[in-house]
Amino acid sequence: DAGITQSPRHKVTETGTPVTLRCHQTENHRYMYWYRQDPGHGLRLIHYSYGVKDTDKGEVSDGYSVSRSKTEDFLLTLESATSSQTSVYFCAISELRRYTEAFFGQGTRLTVV
Amino acid sequence: KNEVEQSPQNLTAQEGEFITINCSYSVGISALHWLQQHPGGGIVSLFMLSSGKKKHGRLIATINIQEKHSSLHITASHPRDSAVYICAVSRTGNQFYFGTGTSLTVIP
Repeated sequence: DAGITQSPRHKVTETGTPVTLRCHQTENHRYMYWYRQDPGHGLRLIHYSYGVKDTDKGEVSDGYSVSRSKTEDFLLTLESATSSQTSVYFCAISELRRYTEAFFGQGTRLTVV
Repeated sequence: KNEVEQSPQNLTAQEGEFITINCSYSVGISALHWLQQHPGGGIVSLFMLSSGKKKHGRLIATINIQEKHSSLHITASHPRDSAVYICAVSRTGNQFYFGTGTSLTVIP
């Protein structure tokens, strides 16, 4: 199994509070991604990173920010959580090669009440 | 419009049945992926295909590049195959697009 660890695995938070999710990899892969998974939508890209301090927005980036200060860690922050951000969040990693594969973390279930 | 479409969305089968899940895509790809997600679980890769056919145990994945279509087959299905199966495509620049998944339930 690819070495990807997400923390926390479960979190319940109140509306308006800041929340940070962490993704840690031991594979030294260049690309890291944050997705959210909701019923009927599949996996939707929030933000991704293609190197240290290099990040870009995905299709559902509003209300989220990310940081990558070192290769192994990619942080997702909800500055002020809303109920619409209740979801399961997955981190993924991939390497830059012709036939690239994504490896996923175990997911974080976030509930905003 | 989604770049990746899967069918069916839900599938119930009796143990032992042959199962097919279909995936169509509308963009140029470097590879197609089949992923598996058990309830409450993480997402694992079953296959990565750029052409032809791959087999792993009772699972077979095929791809037709010209028709932009792939199928995942499960032979002699078993209750432990119950999961969500996700089709995804990868493109240059390490972009991935995902289907919405097929929820499979295999009844003993």
